[in-house]
Amino acid sequence: DIVLTQSPGTLSMSPGERATLSCRASQSVSSNYLAWYQQKPGQAPRLLIYDASSRTVGTPDRFSGSGSGTDFSLTISGLEPEDFAVYYCQQYGTSLTFGGGTRVEIK
Amino acid sequence: QVQLQESGPGLVKPSETLSLTCTVSGYSISSTYYWGWIRQPPGKGLEWIATISQSGTTYYNPSLKSRVTISVDTSKNQFSLKLTSVTAADTAVYYCVGDRRISWYYFWGQGTLVTVSS
Repeated sequence: DIVLTQSPGTLSMSPGERATLSCRASQSVSSNYLAWYQQKPGQAPRLLIYDASSRTVGTPDRFSGSGSGTDFSLTISGLEPEDFAVYYCQQYGTSLTFGGGTRVEIK
Repeated sequence: QVQLQESGPGLVKPSETLSLTCTVSGYSISSTYYWGWIRQPPGKGLEWIATISQSGTTYYNPSLKSRVTISVDTSKNQFSLKLTSVTAADTAVYYCVGDRRISWYYFWGQGTLVTVSS
């Protein structure tokens, strides 16, 4: 299995700041088959990014994904109040696995 | 718009079988989509369990494969999950999901909490 390690575990930020979340894979993710989800308390995850950098319909353009191989990142260019949540990466190049999540909290 | 709704017992005894059903609305389950289950233990991360294609091809998480069965009932526009020999470690919110590929998942149910306890 490909193990995804997300860092940091928790990111304390202020609204308006730029947040960068990391997702590192234990081996190369084929074809950059990596997605990012946002999850708020009591809700199902919401798909934000697929194929490492493609935004889904409805994902604000302040969210951007990048990376390749084993190193991927999600950047939120200016945090809005509704962006404070937990973010998960998921690879689908070899079976399906998720990272442990990064919590973005208000400083 | 695809909508998914999980149903099933909220409490299962250890060693018994967990059975959940997902009802799909707004889309025919026999069309070109992949349907699956993902779970999340309380306070923890996400774990993919299984996926089934519209043609009935199944895909399982290797760590759960020996205990899991996923199936589709096209007459009811539903798909189901069975997990045998459950333990407390299987306590989780179980989500049913769907999308055009076995890859990312855009459509999610609201989730249902299943507790394994005597």
